[in-house]
Amino acid sequence: GQSLEQPSEVTAVEGAIVQINCTYQTSGFYGLSWYQQHDGGAPTFLSYNALDGLEETGRFSSFLSRSDSYGYLLLQELQMKDSASYFCAVKGSWGKLQFGAGTQVVVTP
Amino acid sequence: DAGVIQSPRHEVTEMGQEVTLRCKPISGHDYLFWYRQTMMRGLELLIYFNNNVPIDDSGMPEDRFSAKMPNASFSTLKIQPSEPRDSAVYFCASSFQSTNEKLFFGSGTQLSVL
Repeated sequence: GQSLEQPSEVTAVEGAIVQINCTYQTSGFYGLSWYQQHDGGAPTFLSYNALDGLEETGRFSSFLSRSDSYGYLLLQELQMKDSASYFCAVKGSWGKLQFGAGTQVVVTP
Repeated sequence: DAGVIQSPRHEVTEMGQEVTLRCKPISGHDYLFWYRQTMMRGLELLIYFNNNVPIDDSGMPEDRFSAKMPNASFSTLKIQPSEPRDSAVYFCASSFQSTNEKLFFGSGTQLSVL
């Protein structure tokens, strides 16, 4: 089976940096995705790591270590609009994508 | 492209009634996923299709749930009979086969079973 662990909530002030960790256990791992979901909205894709290392997309970066079954999403220069839930998701065999429970990020002024 | 289109946006029904949720994926996408989201259980994968063929339905809670994809542009998720514990937001998502880690989600259907 598959399991993903991520913190339930993180609070930070505007302009700060937040790191959301994700550890996973799975058979048949192809990569780790990250999604953002605002209250009342649908999840939207942020990034994907298939190989070890850091991927940067603007203020957001994502990291993967396959040997440690670990990844993280880094949110820099936090803005109020970044207040949302962030999900890691494991891509497994046959294109199956399983999501973690999500981390709620609260940005305060 | 209009994105993934789901209908209805909201559905309120009584226990025991049949509920049908509809989804139109993005044109050209090969994969279609149905997810259910609740506070308690998060985003659960119910079933997914590749080129209209169901690949994995192990997430379907029980026989009351069924899903079909008669063609590349349409899928349904049916609950019969519905129960209050089925109340959730149901999302449909689609993707290209080559980048199926990048899902495009519809706006979801908020289902309330009274």
